[in-house]
Amino acid sequence: DIRMTQSPFSLSASVGDRVTITCRASQSISKFLNWYQQKPGQAPKLLIYAASNLQTGVPSRFTGSGSGTDFTLTISSLQPEDFATYFCQQSYSTPRTFGGGTKVEIK
Amino acid sequence: EVQLVESGGGVVRPGGSLRLSCGASGFIFDDYGMSWVRQVPGKGLEWVSGINGKGGTLGYADSVKGRFTISRDNAKNSLFLQMNSLRAEDTALYYCARDGGYSGYIDHWGQGTLVTVSS
Repeated sequence: DIRMTQSPFSLSASVGDRVTITCRASQSISKFLNWYQQKPGQAPKLLIYAASNLQTGVPSRFTGSGSGTDFTLTISSLQPEDFATYFCQQSYSTPRTFGGGTKVEIK
Repeated sequence: EVQLVESGGGVVRPGGSLRLSCGASGFIFDDYGMSWVRQVPGKGLEWVSGINGKGGTLGYADSVKGRFTISRDNAKNSLFLQMNSLRAEDTALYYCARDGGYSGYIDHWGQGTLVTVSS
């Protein structure tokens, strides 16, 4: 199985900050990498698919990049509604494993 | 509007069985692959199993292989997860999810159904 490692585990940031979350795959997954946002009590929400494609309706301050084994999710200017937990997921092969999550908290 | 509604969760004893269902609406069901994803409250996400639009199984997580079976009924716009030989570690919120496209991402999620395995 492909192991997905996210970092950091958590971070504290202020509104307006630029935030970067990284995700590393244990083997190459080409661009089969997706990012989700989850808020407490809610189901996850798709942000980015295939490494860099913004899902319809997601604000442009979210960008994804990377290929192979190393990927990043960047929030260019953190907004109050962005405080949440973020998960990466590989869909290169099954089982379609998730990263452990990164919790973005208010500083 | 895409809607996914899970049902069938509950409390079951270790070794018992449970069948989860997911009713889908708002899209052409057999055009899409579907997945089950679970989450222990407050913890991370675990992909459990997936199935393509025609009913071909995509695979299972190692943790459930041989115990869980995914299936679908396209005539009834329904997805199922048969869970046998349940263990305490299967306790989680189980989400029904739609695979959005060729690259396997999940673009819609249900609200989940809670499974608790406890004696």
